Amino acid sequence: GQNIDQPTEMTATEGAIVQINCTYQTSGFNGLFWYQQHAGEAPTFLSYNVLDGLEEKGRFSSFLSRSKGYSYLLLKELQMKDSASYLCAEEDSNYQLIWGAGTKLIIKP
Amino acid sequence: IAGITQAPTSQILAAGRRMTLRCTQDMRHNAMYWYRQDLGLGLRLIHYSNTAGTTGKGEVPDGYSVSRANTDDFPLTLASAVPSQTSVYFCASSAGGGGANVLTFGAGSRLTVL
Repeated sequence: GQNIDQPTEMTATEGAIVQINCTYQTSGFNGLFWYQQHAGEAPTFLSYNVLDGLEEKGRFSSFLSRSKGYSYLLLKELQMKDSASYLCAEEDSNYQLIWGAGTKLIIKP
Repeated sequence: IAGITQAPTSQILAAGRRMTLRCTQDMRHNAMYWYRQDLGLGLRLIHYSNTAGTTGKGEVPDGYSVSRANTDDFPLTLASAVPSQTSVYFCASSAGGGGANVLTFGAGSRLTVL
């Protein structure tokens, strides 16, 4: 079956770095997405990885290892506004998304 | 401002009533989707449409129906609401096709069925 695993909740300190992991088990993998969702709001697109390696976009980076079925989202120089849920989603062979339950990130001053 | 509009924002509904959630996009996206989001679970796909005139069933389609008469609109209908359909519903759209199928989401519709 298809299963996306990510931690339920993480806590980090303002100004620090945090890594949110995501593992997936599926065939027909097409790509891996990360979305950000603030409480009470819609998810918004952060990153997409289809090849192995690190994609850097400002303070946010996303890594993919296809052989290990593993991805992570790296957030640097954390700001209070980064408090949100981070959703990992795999794009399957039909270009549909299979979503993890999300990781709630709590930033403390 | 280009994007997706959902209505209503929230609704309380008696069990057994019929309800239609509206979704309109102005980005000329080919594909549209309806998801429900429940605490502790990932977004679950209810129905989707790859292009106007076609629809498909997602992971949790039972009790829901959709139509796609044109590119812009993708309403979701609950024919006879049940309490288990209490959820936050998100409509989304994408250009469709292969590659990075980035979804743009509406603000959501919070539905409570009593």
